[in-house]
Amino acid sequence: GEDVEQSLFLSVREGDSSVINCTYTDSSSTYLYWYKQEPGAGLQLLTYIFSNMDMKQDQRLTVLLNKKDKHLSLRIADTQTGDSAIYFCAESINAGNNRKLIWGLGTSLAVNP
Amino acid sequence: EAQVTQNPRYLITVTGKKLTVTCSQNMNHEYMSWYRQDPGLGLRQIYYSMNVEVTDKGDVPEGYKVSRKEKRNFPLILESPSPNQTSLYFCASSPPGGTQHFGDGTRLSIL
Repeated sequence: GEDVEQSLFLSVREGDSSVINCTYTDSSSTYLYWYKQEPGAGLQLLTYIFSNMDMKQDQRLTVLLNKKDKHLSLRIADTQTGDSAIYFCAESINAGNNRKLIWGLGTSLAVNP
Repeated sequence: EAQVTQNPRYLITVTGKKLTVTCSQNMNHEYMSWYRQDPGLGLRQIYYSMNVEVTDKGDVPEGYKVSRKEKRNFPLILESPSPNQTSLYFCASSPPGGTQHFGDGTRLSIL
């Protein structure tokens, strides 16, 4: 079935790079997303990658997609305390007419000063 | 500004009292969807709509209804809310083949 997995916690020091990893099972994914959720807040779309791309860079964020291994990663360069949040990986699949997102459970990133 | 607007943002109510959470988007998107987010379970899709008057069940539709009378609006209706529907709810919309845009969420507490 459809599944997205990510590690639950990551702790880094301020200024270091963070790498959050995600694996997914559905090979028919069209888009793969990274969302950020701060405590008590909504879902902020950070970045996304189309399934025929290998890499996408957007300022401090780098997304790598290994389609063969169904592995997605998000690298945050020069991590700041404001980056502390939960990061969700999600894949967009076409289930008939349904363009639903399958979500990981989120990786809680703690940035220590 | 392109956005998905949900109302209310927060609601505390009692079992059995019908409620509606509204969702409106100003991007002329055909596709809209509702998710609920629960600790340890992540986000799960409740209902989705491909276009006006076209709706279908997601993974966890029990206890919910939706309607899509106009393209911009996709309300979520809880006819007889129960405590197990206490959750954080998100509405999303997207154009054909495009990325999904989410509202800010509605936190429902059913006592």
